[in-house]
Amino acid sequence: AQTVTQSQPEMSVQEAETVTLSCTYDTSESDYYLFWYKQPPSRQMILVIRQEAYKQQNATENRFSVNFQKAAKSFSLKISDSQLGDAAMYFCAYRSAWGGSQGNLIFGKGTKLSVKP
Amino acid sequence: GAVVSQHPSWVICKSGTSVKIECRSLDFQATTMFWYRQFPKQSLMLMATSNEGSKATYEQGVEKDKFLINHASLTLSTLTVTSAHPEDSSFYICSALRASGGYQETQYFGPGTRLLVL
Repeated sequence: AQTVTQSQPEMSVQEAETVTLSCTYDTSESDYYLFWYKQPPSRQMILVIRQEAYKQQNATENRFSVNFQKAAKSFSLKISDSQLGDAAMYFCAYRSAWGGSQGNLIFGKGTKLSVKP
Repeated sequence: GAVVSQHPSWVICKSGTSVKIECRSLDFQATTMFWYRQFPKQSLMLMATSNEGSKATYEQGVEKDKFLINHASLTLSTLTVTSAHPEDSSFYICSALRASGGYQETQYFGPGTRLLVL
């Protein structure tokens, strides 16, 4: 069975600085997707970024980028120029490449990010 | 973008009553939707996978007779908590799987429903 581990329950960053959130996963599959979701105090889950395992290039979305190390099964999220609105719970998630009922997400326990003004 | 709505956003009910929560994908069709439960300061726990036109698949430990799921169309799934009790109080979140390029790739989440059973 696949597992996702986020080893940092809480992180803090100064506004405008850069922070990296860690995520490791375990799987025997070769084809899968990885995601970072953000859950602000409103509790709405928001997709931040996604990565296809077959792609070597790291995904980027504006200030958000990932460091995907497939051999090490590591998928960290870097937030550059942190803003107050980035404060939230961040969840790393894994999904098998096969869709349908096997396409459910496996979540890590989350990292609570605080942004200091 | 991909928008998923949930209704109601919050509900308070008496113990023993049933509560229905709707999940709609507003701008895309979703053959698969998921229902999660989230306790305070915890991650999301998958309850069941809802497939349009067929029976839902429940995770181990989730009572299918208590949490009834219906996925009657490609844009609507409903979760009914039957004979609700205070221990069913929680935050329920749905998500819809949006297909892209022949693969069902990304889940988009609804805003959640807070249920309080008195």
